[in-house]
Amino acid sequence: KAGVTQTPRYLIKTRGQQVTLSCSPISGHRSVSWYQQTPGQGLQFLFEYFSETQRNKGNFPGRFSGRQFSNSRSEMNVSTLELGDSALYLCASSLASDRFTDTQYFGPGTRLTVL
Amino acid sequence: AQSVAQPEDQVNVAEGNPLTVKCTYSVSGNPYLFWYVQYPNRGLQFLLKYITGDNLVKGSYGFEAEFNKSQTSFHLKKPSALVSDSALYFCAVRDIYGQNFVFGPGTRLSVLP
Repeated sequence: KAGVTQTPRYLIKTRGQQVTLSCSPISGHRSVSWYQQTPGQGLQFLFEYFSETQRNKGNFPGRFSGRQFSNSRSEMNVSTLELGDSALYLCASSLASDRFTDTQYFGPGTRLTVL
Repeated sequence: AQSVAQPEDQVNVAEGNPLTVKCTYSVSGNPYLFWYVQYPNRGLQFLLKYITGDNLVKGSYGFEAEFNKSQTSFHLKKPSALVSDSALYFCAVRDIYGQNFVFGPGTRLSVLP
């Protein structure tokens, strides 16, 4: 079974631009979560989607948004990019049979650099 | 609120020796605990999890972890380390009151030949 895929793997943007990242979950997985990983803040939860609805949201500004499609694929968007948005963005999928005990499986990430 | 601590930023161990990567947690209810490993320029790979039952959990690549409720710990162990085990290790926790996974800051493991 194919793993979680994320596109693109690398992105370079300038301040003020916007960016869209894509995530395809493992086949049959219905929940998708997004995380931001930086050396200073570590792994921080952005949001979780299930059945095309945002189920949880982390403590990030409204510039960060996401959505999920009917095939469980997900996108996240960051508008008005800031230098501090440079990070590795990780997507994780899970079956969603039990939201508390399900294992999350991670994609390879998208490395975003904001200049 | 949930929280996870990994008290060691870096752990060095000689190849063939046993390794331990420490994790302590704080949750309101029963904890659900996970270990992940991250290799350079890669996402996180799942190693093992504790949900309920036996306190010793066995996982991938020969790793195991011991859940200790009284000490609120979930240390990752391996009897004999390999150079290829060198990576960044993350402990994560979730409980039924939490909204999402909370990850520890990570511990960098270096296995020296």
